[in-house]
Amino acid sequence: AQSVTQPDIHITVSEGASLELRCNYSYGATPYLFWYVQSPGQGLQLLLKYFSGDTLVQGIKGFEAEFKRSQSSFNLRKPSVHWSDAAEYFCAVGSPFSNDYKLSFGAGTTVTVRA
Amino acid sequence: ETGVTQTPRHLVMGMTNKKSLKCEQHLGHNAMYWYKQSAKKPLELMFVYNFKEQTENNSVPSRFSPECPNSSHLFLHLHTLQPEDSALYLCASSQDGTGTSPLHFGNGTRLTVT
Repeated sequence: AQSVTQPDIHITVSEGASLELRCNYSYGATPYLFWYVQSPGQGLQLLLKYFSGDTLVQGIKGFEAEFKRSQSSFNLRKPSVHWSDAAEYFCAVGSPFSNDYKLSFGAGTTVTVRA
Repeated sequence: ETGVTQTPRHLVMGMTNKKSLKCEQHLGHNAMYWYKQSAKKPLELMFVYNFKEQTENNSVPSRFSPECPNSSHLFLHLHTLQPEDSALYLCASSQDGTGTSPLHFGNGTRLTVT
């Protein structure tokens, strides 16, 4: 079974600064990888996904993530953070070997943006 | 408008009450899900329905009872809940039950059990 670790519970970043959120997974092969964002009072919204191919994937809202097989990581980045990026971010892992869509989610990283 | 609508947004119920959560998706998807979100814990998958058939029951206590009358509607019937069941309950849908179909989430129902 796959598992996900998001080492940072809370990150504070200044508006305009860069942001990197860490995600490490445990799985015996290359999994499906996702980042979701949850704004206060909202459900989760898909930011980007990786299935195969180019290890650098672009998502919505100016986010990108890089898959590194050697490090079992899928870190999320944004070059310049906006105040509206304050939210909770979830990394998720899925198995490509099953027809069942069972995602394993990390516990989330809360991002605070200061002016 | 998220395409997945959950009602009510907030629910307070006593341990002896019976209530239901409702989810409706307007995306033409064929798979629907219930997740439980507790503070600082990973999302917990509760139930999965694929083409109206339940394909996953993730060891959920029987006080939670799902119902999927068609591919657009999903209910979660609640009875004799415990205070530890207080959480945000999220409904999601996907095109089908495969790993390449992203999940689309509703805004959730915040449940408080007193």
